[in-house]
Amino acid sequence: EVLLLGSGGGLVQPGGSLRLSCAASGFTFTTYAMTWVRQTPGKGLEWVSTISNSGSSTWYADSVKGRFTISRDNSNNTLSLQMNSLRADDTALYYCAKTGRHCTSSRCRGHYGMDVWGQGITVTV
Amino acid sequence: DIQMTQSPSTLSASVGDRVIITCRASQSISSWLAWYQQKPGKAPNLLIYEASNLESGVPSRFSGSGSGTEFTLTISSLQPDDFATYYCQHYNNYPWTFGQGTKVEIK
Repeated sequence: EVLLLGSGGGLVQPGGSLRLSCAASGFTFTTYAMTWVRQTPGKGLEWVSTISNSGSSTWYADSVKGRFTISRDNSNNTLSLQMNSLRADDTALYYCAKTGRHCTSSRCRGHYGMDVWGQGITVTV
Repeated sequence: DIQMTQSPSTLSASVGDRVIITCRASQSISSWLAWYQQKPGKAPNLLIYEASNLESGVPSRFSGSGSGTEFTLTISSLQPDDFATYYCQHYNNYPWTFGQGTKVEIK
C-alpha cells in the first residue's frame, strides 16, 4: 500500500520553529517529486513547496520563502519541512503529497498532479 | 501568479444529476491542470490530471476537459458518494495555485 505518514506538528509561539516529517512507503520514493500543501478554513488549499526526486531542485511559495526549507532523505524515504520564524498566518493543516512526476537517471515522465496525500499535520502558531 | 477561479462556489444537486464545475485560469496554463475531491476531515483525492486524464481507480462518471484558460469537471450521474468539495489546481509554473473550491450539496 502506498502511504505517507506525517508527524511533527504542534503548538508553537510566533517566531518559533517546527520540523514536519513525512515517512513514505509502498513506492520508490527516490524517483518522485514531493510537495507540501497547507489548508486553512479562510484561505483554502495553498501550495507551499516542492522538491525534485533527487533533492537538487526546490521551489517555494513567496509566503514561506526564506523561512521554510524543504528537504528529503532518500535513504530513509523521508520528506521534511523545516519551518522557522513562524507567524500566526502559518497556522494550518499541512499535507505532504507525492506527485506523479517520476524521474530516473535517463528521463522524467508523468505529471505534477498530487496522487498520494498524507493524513495532515496540524500546526498552530 | 496565476489565479484560478472556480464556479459556482456551491452547487445543489440530486442523485443522478449531471454536474459541471468550471475553472478559469488568469492566463494560459496549457493542459497543466488537476482536479481533486475532498470530503470533510480527509485529504484531497486526485481525480483528473493534465486536464482530461482520469486517475487510476476514479470512477468513469468523472471527466475533465479544456485547455488554455477554461476547464470543466463533469460528473455524468451524481452518486451519493460524490457530495464533497472539488478543487482545481494548476501546475503550469511556480507558484502552483488552487481554485477556491466548489461544494456540491444535496438538493
